[in-house]
Amino acid sequence: AQTVTQSQPEMSVQEAETVTLSCTYDTSESNYYLFWYKQPPSRQMILVIRQEAYKQQNATENRFSVNFQKAAKSFSLKISDSQLGDTAMYFCAFDPPGGTGANSKLTFGKGITLSVRP
Amino acid sequence: GAGVSQSPSNKVTEKGKDVELRCDPISGHTALYWYRQSLGQGLEFLIYFQGNSAPDKSGLPSDRFSAERTGGSVSTLTIQRTQQEDSAVYLCASSLVFSGTYNEQFFGPGTRLTVL
Repeated sequence: AQTVTQSQPEMSVQEAETVTLSCTYDTSESNYYLFWYKQPPSRQMILVIRQEAYKQQNATENRFSVNFQKAAKSFSLKISDSQLGDTAMYFCAFDPPGGTGANSKLTFGKGITLSVRP
Repeated sequence: GAGVSQSPSNKVTEKGKDVELRCDPISGHTALYWYRQSLGQGLEFLIYFQGNSAPDKSGLPSDRFSAERTGGSVSTLTIQRTQQEDSAVYLCASSLVFSGTYNEQFFGPGTRLTVL
């Protein structure tokens, strides 16, 4: 079974600065997907970024980028130029092998509450 | 287009009562998932529907929990004889299914269930 660990329950960052959220996972599989989801107070989960395990290149989406260390089973999210709208809970998630969509029941970490200070 | 919708947004019930939570997936999405988010916890998988296949119920925590999906669209999650530990946010997600690639799950806003 897969496990996802987010050991930091809360973090705070000044607006316009950079923050890194940590995530580690455990699996015996060699191919899988990893995700970061954002959950604002509205509760709507929003996909922030996705990483495919077979790709060595770290994924980037505008101000969001990941540091994927497959051997260390580490998957951190870096948010650059933090904005007030980034205030939310962030969840790291693991998708089973194949990523075919068939039975892709995600395994989530416990989440981290990020506060961006003006 | 419309996203995943869930109703009610909030539900307060008394211990021992039955509740029904509804999910309307994105039109055309054949896969539908239910997750539970308890306070201080991540999301926990409950059940998965895909087309006409038998649902994957491996995440349901007890036989008090059941779900159905009518006509391959709307889904209802039913909790019988609710207990206080059932208090949580119940999230629904839907996705298209294409083999050989990842299919993004789109989440609804959830139903916050409070059992008194």
